[in-house]
Amino acid sequence: GGIITQTPKFLIGQEGQKLTLKCQQNFNHDTMYWYRQDSGKGLRLIYYSITENDLQKGDLSEGYDASREKKSSFSLTVTSAQKNEMAVFLCASSIKAGGYEQYFGPGTRLTVL
Amino acid sequence: QQKVQQSPESLSVPEGGMASLNCTSSDRNFQYFWWYRQHSGEGPKALMSIFSDGDKKEGRFTAHLNKASLHVSLHIRDSQPSDSALYFCAANTNTGKLTFGDGTVLTVKP
Repeated sequence: GGIITQTPKFLIGQEGQKLTLKCQQNFNHDTMYWYRQDSGKGLRLIYYSITENDLQKGDLSEGYDASREKKSSFSLTVTSAQKNEMAVFLCASSIKAGGYEQYFGPGTRLTVL
Repeated sequence: QQKVQQSPESLSVPEGGMASLNCTSSDRNFQYFWWYRQHSGEGPKALMSIFSDGDKKEGRFTAHLNKASLHVSLHIRDSQPSDSALYFCAANTNTGKLTFGDGTVLTVKP
């Protein structure tokens, strides 16, 4: 089996600050994803990366940047933190894009002061 | 309109009882349907997938898909307190983008 590690577990920032969340997977999966989950609601896709040198926007990409540094790591940057985007950010990976199971990390909880 | 809608929002069943969760999609491009479960403080974990009409059974969990009506359900028999969690229905096409519903909170009372 494998594991997805997200750092930090809790992230506190000031309004307007640029903040970076990191994700590592050791499944050797091609595809990685970033989702945002607001207070126990459903997940919304921010960015995904089909393969190592690919980057695709999801439904909620405005205000975020992403970077796939290597096959095992995928970072998400909040370009200017806003109070209305306090949420849990979840990273996931799958063996390939398509109808394959996505494996999720434990999440990073973002608080904006 | 949300593309994946779940009902009910919350559900309480006694230990040993049957829990039934429902999901309807509005997008006929969806090919794969998933049920994910999320315990408090953790990331979601896939329970099962279904992409053919009919039933799919895995242990105490049975999923049912009706492609004509784009309706998928999850039935949990002999529910246990450890089944208490947030359950998501999700659907995707072959592009990999997974669309989630807002979830059903299941509480199993001992």
